[in-house]
Amino acid sequence: RKEVEQDPGPFNVPEGATVAFNCTYSNSASQSFFWYRQDCRKEPKLLMSVYSSGNEDGRFTAQLNRASQYISLLIRDSKLSDSATYLCVVNMLQTGANNLFFGTGTRLTVIP
Amino acid sequence: NAGVMQNPRHLVRRRGQEARLRCSPMKGHSHVYWYRQLPEEGLKFMVYLQKENIIDESGMPKERFSAEFPKEGPSILRIQQVVRGDSAAYFCASSPPGQGAHSPLHFGNGTRLTVT
Repeated sequence: RKEVEQDPGPFNVPEGATVAFNCTYSNSASQSFFWYRQDCRKEPKLLMSVYSSGNEDGRFTAQLNRASQYISLLIRDSKLSDSATYLCVVNMLQTGANNLFFGTGTRLTVIP
Repeated sequence: NAGVMQNPRHLVRRRGQEARLRCSPMKGHSHVYWYRQLPEEGLKFMVYLQKENIIDESGMPKERFSAEFPKEGPSILRIQQVVRGDSAAYFCASSPPGQGAHSPLHFGNGTRLTVT
C-alpha cells in the first residue's frame, strides 16, 4: 500500500463550483499534513498546512480525520487560476528524518 | 530574500555522461532535500542532508547516485553514467533548523534532466 494515496482525477469543474479532494495515508503515526499546489512543469508550492481542528484560508478549507487517516481539501467558488495539480503531503518522520511523502496529485481544471 | 536556487534549469546529457545538479537553500536554512519527479508521477524522496552530513538517503538508488552538502557552497546531486530512465525533474527543497516535523518545505524550480 502506498504511503499517501489520492484520486488522480482529472476533475473538470465550471467556474464558481465547489470541489473537494480526499487523500488517505497509511502511517497512523504521521505528524504533519500539508496541501501543495503544482502548476504544469513548475515546482510544488505550499498551499496550506492541515491542522487537527481543521483550518480555512479564504476559499480553501482543509480537514484532517486521524481516526480514518484521511485529509481533505475543499475549494469554494473555483477560479480559472485554481487549475493545477493538488498534492497531498504527509510527514512520516521516520528514523528522525524530516521527510515528506507526496501523493501523486489530483489534477483540477476549472472551465470558463 | 532569494528562495531555493537550483541550476541548471535544463540539462541534457548523453547516455554514460555525468550529471551534476546544484542547489542553494534559502538563507538561514540548513536542511536540504532532493526529490525526483518522473513524467506523470508524484515526487519521490531521494535524500535529506544537513551541512556535511547525509541524514537519510533511503530514497537514493544504490548505484550511480550520490549527494553532498559541503560546509561551503551548494548541495550537489551527482548522477554518474546516466541512462534514459534518469530523465526526470529533480527538485531541491530546504527547511530551517529546529522546526522538526512541522516545517513545510520550500522548493526550488527544479532541474529538468534529459538523457539522450
